[in-house]
Formats: sequence, structure tokens, C-alpha cells
Amino acid sequence: DTEVTQTPKHLVMGMTNKKSLKCEQHMGHRAMYWYKQKAKKPPELMFVYSYEKLSINESVPSRFSPECPNSSLLNLHLHALQPEDSALYLCASSQRAGQDYGYTFGSGTRLTVV
Amino acid sequence: QKEVEQNSGPLSVPEGAIASLNCTYSDRVSQSFFWYRQYSGKSPELIMSIYSNGDKEDGRFTAQLNKASQYVSLLIRDSQPSDSATYLCAVNAGGTSYGKLTFGQGTILTVHP
Repeated sequence: DTEVTQTPKHLVMGMTNKKSLKCEQHMGHRAMYWYKQKAKKPPELMFVYSYEKLSINESVPSRFSPECPNSSLLNLHLHALQPEDSALYLCASSQRAGQDYGYTFGSGTRLTVV
Repeated sequence: QKEVEQNSGPLSVPEGAIASLNCTYSDRVSQSFFWYRQYSGKSPELIMSIYSNGDKEDGRFTAQLNKASQYVSLLIRDSQPSDSATYLCAVNAGGTSYGKLTFGQGTILTVHP
């Protein structure tokens, strides 16, 4: 299994809703990441988890709450989002959180906040 | 100065030609460099990684790294219409940003028949 699986693929939510994005990998990778990508822009890092512990938080607003229940799963809990949070949310994983490892990206969740 | 810079293009080349994509980076301690391909509406796909000065070849793709000039490039030989995509240069920083991959703005490549 060489894939990172993200669900759902599409999500429409209201500004008062609570929803969660899910990411799963079974490659034995011990680093997992959340990126946000707006149209015609490069991906921007949100969070890095290394060995199930949060190691980097790029000053992301608290309405985004990451969770890493185990080495294969990564969640992103969403609450009280704004329309400007609409974007493609990408999960990625790598063998380790180090310089020598490229990422494998999931197919993304396209989020629309209305 | 942006951390990772690429020409946004679009770069248009005829089928069968060599496409040359360039990237510069600002952090001298960076050690790992990656090229990703992203088709419209899809997620990035890793196509090349390079860690040492010089060239690295994989099929029709060649990555070139010059750390002294803080420059990395990607050559695509015998370009095909299916190579039309956005190519993202990415740099893995060291120090306190260990594990953080920073992307350039991307270069849009169009290969026309």
C-alpha cells in the first residue's frame, strides 16, 4: 500500500458547523502533515506530526484542530470556519520528519465554507 | 525575498523538445530538494528528489543542483502533452523547521503537439 487516503473528497460546511477531515496511511511512515492550498497557489504548511506528536504548528488559527490518534491516522477538526478557509486541504506523509524524505500526498479534501 | 522562487510561466514547448524549469532558494542550510508535478485539480506528485550537487537522472527527467548558487533545475526530455502541468519546486529546511517542506509558486508547463 503506497497511498495516503483522505476523506471526504469534497465537503461543504456552514460557518457554525463542526466537521472533521480524515487521513490514513499504511506505509509505516512516522511523519504526517496537513497543508492548505488555495487556487493557483502553492501548498502552505499547517501542521507537522512526528511520531504522533505535534512538532510544528505554523500559527494556524484555533478553529483548525489537528489530532493524531495513532501512527496511521491524522485528523483535522474544523469549527467555526470562515469563507476564506475554503481551499484544498492536503494530507501528506513521509518516512520520518527529516530533510531527506519527500512526501506522499493524498488526493485532498476540497472544502467550501458557506 | 521569497524562500523558494520559480518563474511562474507559462512555459510552452513543442512536443519532443526539452523543457527546462528553474528554481532558486534563499536558505543556505537547505539540504534536500524536490520536484513535484501537479495536474489541475489534483494533488502534488513527487517526481524527483536531489540532495547532492550535480545531476540526477530518472527516465526523461534530470534534476540539477548547485548549492553554491542556491539553484536547482528540472529538465524534461522528449516532452509529451501529458507532461502539461504545474511543476512545484520544494525545499526541506533544517534547524528548527526540521521536516517543513516549503514550495515555490510553481511553473505552469504546456507541451503542445
